[in-house]
Amino acid sequence: SQQGEEDPQALSIQEGENATMNCSYKTSINNLQWYRQNSGRGLVHLILIRSNEREKHSGRLRVTLDTSKKSSSLLITASRAADTASYFCATDGNAGNMLTFGGGTRLMVKP
Amino acid sequence: GAVVSQHPSWVICKSGTSVKIECRSLDFQATTMFWYRQFPKQSLMLMATSNEGSKATYEQGVEKDKFLINHASLTLSTLTVTSAHPEDSSFYICSAHRGDRGVDSPLHFGNGTRLTVT
Repeated sequence: SQQGEEDPQALSIQEGENATMNCSYKTSINNLQWYRQNSGRGLVHLILIRSNEREKHSGRLRVTLDTSKKSSSLLITASRAADTASYFCATDGNAGNMLTFGGGTRLMVKP
Repeated sequence: GAVVSQHPSWVICKSGTSVKIECRSLDFQATTMFWYRQFPKQSLMLMATSNEGSKATYEQGVEKDKFLINHASLTLSTLTVTSAHPEDSSFYICSAHRGDRGVDSPLHFGNGTRLTVT
């Protein structure tokens, strides 16, 4: 069953703007991961944040995690047209390496 | 590193035939592989967990006799859609976990297989 819910489902912004996507989950976790999927392709891992971490950065990506609210956010700064893709959060739900994916946010960055 | 190759990338078959999809980890040993199904503009639905040398664990609602999974080696898992029907048309994606990187290491995904059953 799908644990995570993502918000918004779709987001359209101009190049150079920041994009923020949110993810909520239901059970306790060891970690939360964000993945990117280009249309018709597999998923690419972006970043992993552990349950004892609150914020993590990787290049133009910033991820936050609030375990009390069971939520996470992914911020992409200074977006580019090449960032156009679907973004999914995934949680392990204490089930080791088995992940449950959220519904995804479809991001479109217009040049 | 950590490349997962999925083949074929697309396949069209006639109703009633069977289709085999392969998932290979090219540069690492995958103790566990996962098979997902994805409908257009939707998330990934886990179908089954495949462990090398043992039977796959299927998610609730997934017919194990219809979606046969074999994980015969540490680098290869196959999904066979048997007696395919048009409603089996979907995007199937595999992923693999590196056993040597700990349980919280990321999954590595194949590029998916677009199956169309006519």
